[in-house]
Amino acid sequence: EAQVTQNPRYLITVTGKKLTVTCSQNMNHEYMSWYRQDPGLGLRQIYYSMNVEVTDKGDVPEGYKVSRKEKRNFPLILESPSPNQTSLYFCASSPSTAYGYTFGSGTRLTVV
Amino acid sequence: GQSLEQPSEVTAVEGAIVQINCTYQTSGFYGLSWYQQHDGGAPTFLSYNALDGLEETGRFSSFLSRSDSYGYLLLQELQMKDSASYFCVRGDTGRRALTFGSGTRLQVQP
Repeated sequence: EAQVTQNPRYLITVTGKKLTVTCSQNMNHEYMSWYRQDPGLGLRQIYYSMNVEVTDKGDVPEGYKVSRKEKRNFPLILESPSPNQTSLYFCASSPSTAYGYTFGSGTRLTVV
Repeated sequence: GQSLEQPSEVTAVEGAIVQINCTYQTSGFYGLSWYQQHDGGAPTFLSYNALDGLEETGRFSSFLSRSDSYGYLLLQELQMKDSASYFCVRGDTGRRALTFGSGTRLQVQP
């Protein structure tokens, strides 16, 4: 089944404790992105990647890192999480910018 | 900038037709997409318009007018399961990031 898989689904952590949210797609898509969704703000893009080793900042990159060492994987790294990063996170992939993105099921992160 | 404007809420009855409008600022714009998101779920791609005109996919259609900086999503023969949030999303030339509108919450009533 073609899908985007992100883990974990739920995560509660403490301020400053490094964490990684994994994202993997099995569709051989070149484009991958991370979004965060907050009430009243819609989805905002954090980082995106156009191919292996090619990444760029979205609209809200502060406090996040990404890497794209393999085509299928695009992990999101929070080096020192803070409470304002409490949010619902989505990973997504697409074969190109002219096609729609397939989204993962989401990761609900709470930073206390 | 890359902002989009869409209504925050729309209510309609089962079987009816509803149109969700989206306006955008012209600078850098190259295409408009629409996504559906049910409560607690992930966004699902519905349609994409890069050229003026109507794109039809089953009960859903999407329209774009570049001259008016305007697009809409048309949902026909509404069903209860269409109750969800709908996002218009713009892509920009020279910029790979997508910008989501704040979403329109559609409530379908019996």
